[in-house]
Amino acid sequence: DAGVIQSPRHEVTEMGQEVTLRCKPISGHNSLFWYRQTMMRGLELLIYFNNNVPIDDSGMPEDRFSAKMPNASFSTLKIQPSEPRDSAVYFCASSFTGNTIYFGEGSWLTVV
Amino acid sequence: AQKITQTQPGMFVQEKEAVTLDCTYDTSDPSYGLFWYKQPSSGEMIFLIYQGSYDQQNATEGRYSLNFQKARKSANLVISASQLGDSAMYFCAMRVPFLDGGSQGNLIFGKGTKLSVKP
Repeated sequence: DAGVIQSPRHEVTEMGQEVTLRCKPISGHNSLFWYRQTMMRGLELLIYFNNNVPIDDSGMPEDRFSAKMPNASFSTLKIQPSEPRDSAVYFCASSFTGNTIYFGEGSWLTVV
Repeated sequence: AQKITQTQPGMFVQEKEAVTLDCTYDTSDPSYGLFWYKQPSSGEMIFLIYQGSYDQQNATEGRYSLNFQKARKSANLVISASQLGDSAMYFCAMRVPFLDGGSQGNLIFGKGTKLSVKP
């Protein structure tokens, strides 16, 4: 079975550019999470969707970050404009009601 | 406040020996789940084992077992017969319901323990 699929795996971009990270959750899962991992702050939840609806976006750092889930099989996390402090690993994860949360392999973002 | 504490930043273990990675948690919710994830140097987060707050027995998955002591609020991971491939960061995490009371919940992570297995 396919796991959570994220793209791109690695991205290097210049400050000020728009970055779009993509995620395909595991088929049948109804919850989707975006996490960010940095050395300083560890793993932090950015936003959580349940049945394609954003439930908690309190972790989104600022207006430069936005996330969408137009259907059950696709989500995007967009950063516009990007800044060097956004450099991190961004994980997408999914689960089915109350069950284990499975992570994708992460998108490694470097903003120079 | 909901919190996960992993007090061991790094640990060493000899190959083929058992090792215990510590995890304590704090929550006032009666319903919660405890997870351990492995993050090798390649970066992916690999689910290892899960323990529900109402589970009577300690969870086991192959060489992994979770020593769940509810009164002490601890959920230590035990890896038996360590292998070189076990060298990685290990994260303890707790899932609690969101404020909307939904059955779904966020994962709160500890800072991790870096395990190094020596040949």
